[in-house]
Amino acid sequence: EDQVTQSPEALRLQEGESSSLNCSYTVSGLRGLFWYRQDPGKGPEFLFTLYSAGEEKEKERLKATLTKKESFLHITAPKPEDSATYLCAVQVNFGNEKLTFGTGTRLTIIP
Amino acid sequence: EAGVVQSPRYKIIEKKQPVAFWCNPISGHNTLYWYRQNLGQGPELLIRYENEEAVDDSQLPKDRFSAERLKGVDSTLKIQPAELGDSAVYLCASSPSGRRNSYEQYFGPGTRLTVT
Repeated sequence: EDQVTQSPEALRLQEGESSSLNCSYTVSGLRGLFWYRQDPGKGPEFLFTLYSAGEEKEKERLKATLTKKESFLHITAPKPEDSATYLCAVQVNFGNEKLTFGTGTRLTIIP
Repeated sequence: EAGVVQSPRYKIIEKKQPVAFWCNPISGHNTLYWYRQNLGQGPELLIRYENEEAVDDSQLPKDRFSAERLKGVDSTLKIQPAELGDSAVYLCASSPSGRRNSYEQYFGPGTRLTVT
């Protein structure tokens, strides 16, 4: 069974304090790994898709990386507006296109 | 480009009552998904449509849940009768088909259901 584990569950950082969120996965064959951001009361907002080990993608203060077992979401010099829950999801090859999500990391950036 | 539209945003009903949620996907997106998200959890797939065909409904509790996408555009998810455990956020998502980036799913704001 496909599994996705995110850590930590919650993270509090001072503004400007860089850190990383982890997403480890166990799947039969990875088609893609997805990062989403979810604000309270809203649906998940698409951030990145990573398809193969070694791939990296960046967007503003966020950078996502992928290995054969895990993905990291690096946050550089975060601002209070980066506070949100960050969800990781996997999609498998020859599957039904469903996304299997982790439980998320709740990130709080303190001014 | 307009995003995925869902209504209502909030719904409070008593147990055993019926409820329906509506979703209009991003224009041109052939694939539509319904997910359920419990508090503190990630979304879980209920059903996936390719145009008007339900191609994966293995996670849909068919004794009380039903869905339709009659013209391959908007979709309705129904629960009848609702149970206390159905309280959750119901999310609709859509994605294009036939291209590599068709794997990306775009979510609507969700409908928060409270069953009392």
